[in-house]
Amino acid sequence: AQKVTQAQTEISVVEKEDVTLDCVYETRDTTYYLFWYKQPPSGELVFLIRRNSFDEQNEISGRYSWNFQKSTSSFNFTITASQVVDSAVYFCALSEGYDYKLSFGAGTTVTVRA
Amino acid sequence: EADIYQTPRYLVIGTGKKITLECSQTMGHDKMYWYQQDPGMELHLIHYSYGVNSTEKGDLSSESTVSRIRTEHFPLTLESARPSHTSQYLCASSDSSAPGPQHFGDGTRLSIL
Repeated sequence: AQKVTQAQTEISVVEKEDVTLDCVYETRDTTYYLFWYKQPPSGELVFLIRRNSFDEQNEISGRYSWNFQKSTSSFNFTITASQVVDSAVYFCALSEGYDYKLSFGAGTTVTVRA
Repeated sequence: EADIYQTPRYLVIGTGKKITLECSQTMGHDKMYWYQQDPGMELHLIHYSYGVNSTEKGDLSSESTVSRIRTEHFPLTLESARPSHTSQYLCASSDSSAPGPQHFGDGTRLSIL
C-alpha cells in the first residue's frame, strides 16, 4: 500500500501565484518523520524540511511554508509568490518509527511560467 | 552542506557489460542508500547500508549488488547490464541522529543499449 500520496501530478501557475502541494501519509507508528524534497531539472534532490510527529507547529522559511495536520494525516507545502526557479518536481517522504529508510510519494511537477 | 559524489554522471553502454556506479561521501555518515528513479517518477529504494560490512536489499527488487567496505564508499554493480536497467540511480547518505534528512548525490543517468 502506498504510504505517501501526492494526488497532484502536475501544477502549472503563472509567476507570483501561490502554489499548494498536497501530501497525505499513512502510518501506524506514533513516531514518524516527514520530509519534503525538491528535484530541479538538473536531477539532484534538495532537502527542504523535516518534521517529526510530535511537532505540529507550522513552519515558514522565506516563501516556503508547511502545514502539518495529524488529524488528517497531511503535510502540505505552499510556495508563496512563485518564481520560475521554483519549477521542479517536489517529493514528500515518510520515515516510520526510527527506521532511517524513506518512503517517497510519486511527486508533483510544478511549472512556473513567466 | 552535504558532500556526496556520484560518478559517472551519465553512462551509455551496451547490453551485457559489467557496470559499477560509484558513490562517495565525505561527511562520515554511517548510513547510505541507493535509489532507482525513472524520469519524473517516484524514487524506489533498492539497497541500503547502516555501516561497514552491512548491506540490505530495499523495497524494490534489483539485479544489482552493493558493497560497503569503507564508510565513505558505497558502489553499486550490475554484472550484466540489460535495457531494463536504464534509469537514473541516486545515492544518498544520512547520519545517526533521529531519522535525519538524507543527502543526495547528483545521480547517474544510465542508458543500456
